[in-house]
Amino acid sequence: DTAVSQTPKYLVTQMGNDKSIKCEQNLGHDTMYWYKQDSKKFLKIMFSYNNKELIINETVPNRFSPKSPDKAHLNLHINSLELGDSAVYFCASSQGLGRTDTQYFGPGTRLTVL
Amino acid sequence: GDSVTQMEGPVTLSEEAFLTINCTYTATGYPSLFWYVQYPGEGLQLLLKATKADDKGSNKGFEATYRKETTSFHLEKGSVQVSDSAVYFCALSGGETSGSRLTFGEGTQLTVNP
Repeated sequence: DTAVSQTPKYLVTQMGNDKSIKCEQNLGHDTMYWYKQDSKKFLKIMFSYNNKELIINETVPNRFSPKSPDKAHLNLHINSLELGDSAVYFCASSQGLGRTDTQYFGPGTRLTVL
Repeated sequence: GDSVTQMEGPVTLSEEAFLTINCTYTATGYPSLFWYVQYPGEGLQLLLKATKADDKGSNKGFEATYRKETTSFHLEKGSVQVSDSAVYFCALSGGETSGSRLTFGEGTQLTVNP
């Protein structure tokens, strides 16, 4: 009964490839997020969706494209992977956009670009 | 924009020692404040939160009080255990510029030795 799940957990690929990371939540939440954690463990928002609508789109290269087929899923597609994309990517979800809403995180996907 | 500053780590303590991890924030409006914990190889888990001034969040022996006058949300525990070894993140959301996104501090690595 995992709340927020991500696949794959590890992703190793070559520069220039295209890859996707999938995220699913079974909490019935309306809002989902993608965060990037760099090698120094710093976390930064990338995107958020509310009811399948893009709400936050940080300064992220347009090689990154989120897709939300329904409220329970938010996938991240990355084109033309670069060495600097190596990081841990976390999906999260919250009930809504309220300032008190808690965000629940998935286990993360460690992406390594060779 | 909104920001969070945590005390520099890493922090190393002996079992049963007292823990304080300092966190200060800069935000306009009425942000909510959170502490998340990341155990090795895992995602982030909510440890505690506070949504208004003078609120105290507590969980698993950890406590933090939302101090608007000093813009702080310091994490404390009276007696740490080896199992508390992890990275701790202070975060805020709901500030006027941050909206629903979580803005994180740099994280503090805590190691507890037997």
